[in-house]
Amino acid sequence: DTEVTQTPKHLVMGMTNKKSLKCEQHMGHRAMYWYKQKAKKPPELMFVYSYEKLSINESVPSRFSPECPNSSLLNLHLHALQPEDSALYLCASSQDRVPNAYFGSGTRLTVV
Amino acid sequence: QKEVEQDPGPLSVPEGAIVSLNCTYSNSAFQYFMWYRQYSRKGPELLMYTYSSGNKEDGRFTAQVDKSSKYISLFIRDSQPSDSATYLCAGFMNTGFQKLVFGTGTRLLVSP
Repeated sequence: DTEVTQTPKHLVMGMTNKKSLKCEQHMGHRAMYWYKQKAKKPPELMFVYSYEKLSINESVPSRFSPECPNSSLLNLHLHALQPEDSALYLCASSQDRVPNAYFGSGTRLTVV
Repeated sequence: QKEVEQDPGPLSVPEGAIVSLNCTYSNSAFQYFMWYRQYSRKGPELLMYTYSSGNKEDGRFTAQVDKSSKYISLFIRDSQPSDSATYLCAGFMNTGFQKLVFGTGTRLLVSP
């Protein structure tokens, strides 16, 4: 099983809403990532978790809050987002210190 | 200067052509170089990764890295319409933390 599962696939939320994106993998990978991808742009790294500890936060606004409850799950909590936060949010996982990251299909987020 | 540079294209070729996709990078800390394929509205899919200078072949795909000139290439032989996608090169550094940096992606169109 080389699958990274992301839910929901689509999400529309208002600027005052609180929502969460979920990511799950069962490959035994100990590194998990959140990326943000705008249309016709490459993915941009947001957060990296290594062994369930946050190891990289790429100066992401606090309205995005990551959480890694266990080695298989990764959440991204969203609060008070802006319309410019509308994008495809991608989760990925990899073995620790190995670059073969597997990506999920993403959550397409629209902030209205 | 961007850490990984890539021509956005689009690159249009007829079916059966040999395709050459290229990137340059500026960060000498990159240890691995990856090629991802991304279809519309999907997450990136890892095609290949290389660690050192030289060639790596997998089926119709050949990845080439020249660290002396900081140049990365992907060759696709006998291109098919199903190869039409955006191809992203990326550099990966593993010096105490893990970071995958993508180029802008090249859109490839293979016509029947």
